[in-house]
Amino acid sequence: KAGVTQTPRYLIKTRGQQVTLSCSPISGHRSVSWYQQTPGQGLQFLFEYFSETQRNKGNFPGRFSGRQFSNSRSEMNVSTLELGDSALYLCASSPKSWPGGWTNEKLFFGSGTQLSVL
Amino acid sequence: SQQGEEDPQALSIQEGENATMNCSYKTSINNLQWYRQNSGRGLVHLILIRSNEREKHSGRLRVTLDTSKKSSSLLITASRAADTASYFCATDAGANNLFFGTGTRLTVIP
Repeated sequence: KAGVTQTPRYLIKTRGQQVTLSCSPISGHRSVSWYQQTPGQGLQFLFEYFSETQRNKGNFPGRFSGRQFSNSRSEMNVSTLELGDSALYLCASSPKSWPGGWTNEKLFFGSGTQLSVL
Repeated sequence: SQQGEEDPQALSIQEGENATMNCSYKTSINNLQWYRQNSGRGLVHLILIRSNEREKHSGRLRVTLDTSKKSSSLLITASRAADTASYFCATDAGANNLFFGTGTRLTVIP
């Protein structure tokens, strides 16, 4: 199976612009999570989508949004970029499913999108 | 916060030596996972240990879990230069997402 694919790999934007990042999960995975990684804050959870519905959301401002399509591909959008948004954005998919109760089994990560805001 | 804390923050050892890193967390968990991250890349899952397990092995990796102390350790035996990476623990506390620790930066000197 192909792994998790994130595009683009690198992105340079200026303050005030908006950006859209894309993630294609492993085939058959319905859960897609997004994380922001910075040297100072480590890995911070942004949100999780499951079957096109946002299931969980981290503590980020409304400028950060996402969506998931019927084929499980996901996009995240950051509007009105700030310098502090410079980070590695990681997408991860999971074979998580319901019923049986939600459990967080292993995540499969993409290589990330390195966003630099100038 | 559920976020785990890894200790030490950085570790430098000679090739062939063992490396031990620790993770502490704050609330009860369903499972605890360890991931490796090579510089600037995505994380790779190494091993998962459930709350009712005390020890688990996978190749050169040994993970222990002490739920009474809310801590886990990852031991890498006979380390290699290719083991140089950052290692993160991640906890599953229920219906929410995984919470990642702060990471241990391991350098294995050839």
